[in-house]
Amino acid sequence: QKEVEQNSGPLSVPEGAIASLNCTYSDRGSQSFFWYRQYSGKSPELIMFIYSNGDKEDGRFTAQLNKASQYVSLLIRDSQPSDSATYLCAVTGGNQFYFGTGTSLTVIP
Amino acid sequence: EAQVTQNPRYLITVTGKKLTVTCSQNMNHEYMSWYRQDPGLGLRQIYYSMNVEVTDKGDVPEGYKVSRKEKRNFPLILESPSPNQTSLYFCASSFNTDTQYFGPGTRLTVL
Repeated sequence: QKEVEQNSGPLSVPEGAIASLNCTYSDRGSQSFFWYRQYSGKSPELIMFIYSNGDKEDGRFTAQLNKASQYVSLLIRDSQPSDSATYLCAVTGGNQFYFGTGTSLTVIP
Repeated sequence: EAQVTQNPRYLITVTGKKLTVTCSQNMNHEYMSWYRQDPGLGLRQIYYSMNVEVTDKGDVPEGYKVSRKEKRNFPLILESPSPNQTSLYFCASSFNTDTQYFGPGTRLTVL
């Protein structure tokens, strides 16, 4: 069974701080890695994807991938109250997607 | 507008009464998928389809059927629903195993 693990939280950070979200995966053959944000009662929406080792930045978001350690993370700089949501890590294995259970983030004004 | 639509959005039914949840996308995506989301268990893939007439089981296919007769549609069929299929269901589509776009969700309750 391929696994994706995330700390369920809740993670609380003050407004303006950096939020760090982590994810580990079991399948060393995983090729693609995604971070989705899900507000309560809504569908997941893509924040970032990353395919290669290293960092990828998009605005306030940075995804980091380390395939040797089977670890992917998401940093949110200058956190805003609107960033309060559940963040889902997803990886591909073969033709399937595997999701973690999500980390709940609360940004405190 | 590029989107994935699902119907119905909410459904309350009784054990054993066959139901179908429809899913349609207008982005010409080859890959379509169904997930269920349960508290503490996250999103789990039920079935996926790489293209028309090609479907495969995900991690939790028991009790579900799918078909892919047209590229844009991927209905989920519960032939004999049971209470343990009460869940929030999402349909998603993508170009191969790339960024997935999710529908709005269908909240199903089986009594």
